[in-house]
Amino acid sequence: AQKVTQAQTEISVVEKEDVTLDCVYETRDTTYYLFWYKQPPSGELVFLIRRNSFDEQNEISGRYSWNFQKSTSSFNFTITASQVVDSAVYFCALSEAKRMDSNYQLIWGAGTKLIIKP
Amino acid sequence: ETGVTQTPRHLVMGMTNKKSLKCEQHLGHNAMYWYKQSAKKPLELMFVYNFKEQTENNSVPSRFSPECPNSSHLFLHLHTLQPEDSALYLCASSLGAPQGANYGYTFGSGTRLTVV
Repeated sequence: AQKVTQAQTEISVVEKEDVTLDCVYETRDTTYYLFWYKQPPSGELVFLIRRNSFDEQNEISGRYSWNFQKSTSSFNFTITASQVVDSAVYFCALSEAKRMDSNYQLIWGAGTKLIIKP
Repeated sequence: ETGVTQTPRHLVMGMTNKKSLKCEQHLGHNAMYWYKQSAKKPLELMFVYNFKEQTENNSVPSRFSPECPNSSHLFLHLHTLQPEDSALYLCASSLGAPQGANYGYTFGSGTRLTVV
């Protein structure tokens, strides 16, 4: 069954440290998409990145980087030189079609709460 | 402003009240979603609408009643709720079915609901 696991419930680091948030997924599909979203205290989930299953290149966006490895079914997210504003809950998600005739939907991990201390 | 607007931001209601949550998007999306987010629980998908048609109802109690009059507006009508229904209710939109979700969702800021 399709599933997304974020084993780290909460991570706390001091500002300027690097931190990696883990995401492991399970899917029977050969074509799928993976996402990361950020949920700051204000509540809305903010889209960070989308990656399709055929593109295993790592991606870097400023202080954010993502490591996609199909061999280990992982899509980890690293924040370099963390800042207090990075404090939020981060969700990993996988798109899947629940049934052959159904629409694709996102399957969500439980989220990792990241606390950056000044 | 994310492009998806939810009102109200906060709502306190008694168990016998009737209230409605509103969601609006002008992103040209044709799919809209209601999610419930309770403390220490994963995001729970409640309802999905594609092109105004309801395509998913994830065993949500009948005290929650969705309405989608057009592709830009989504409502969640609430009546006789229970204290355990207190949560953050998030609306999202995406491109339409079947593969719209593959391009990700845009979320609103949510309505923080407290049932007393």
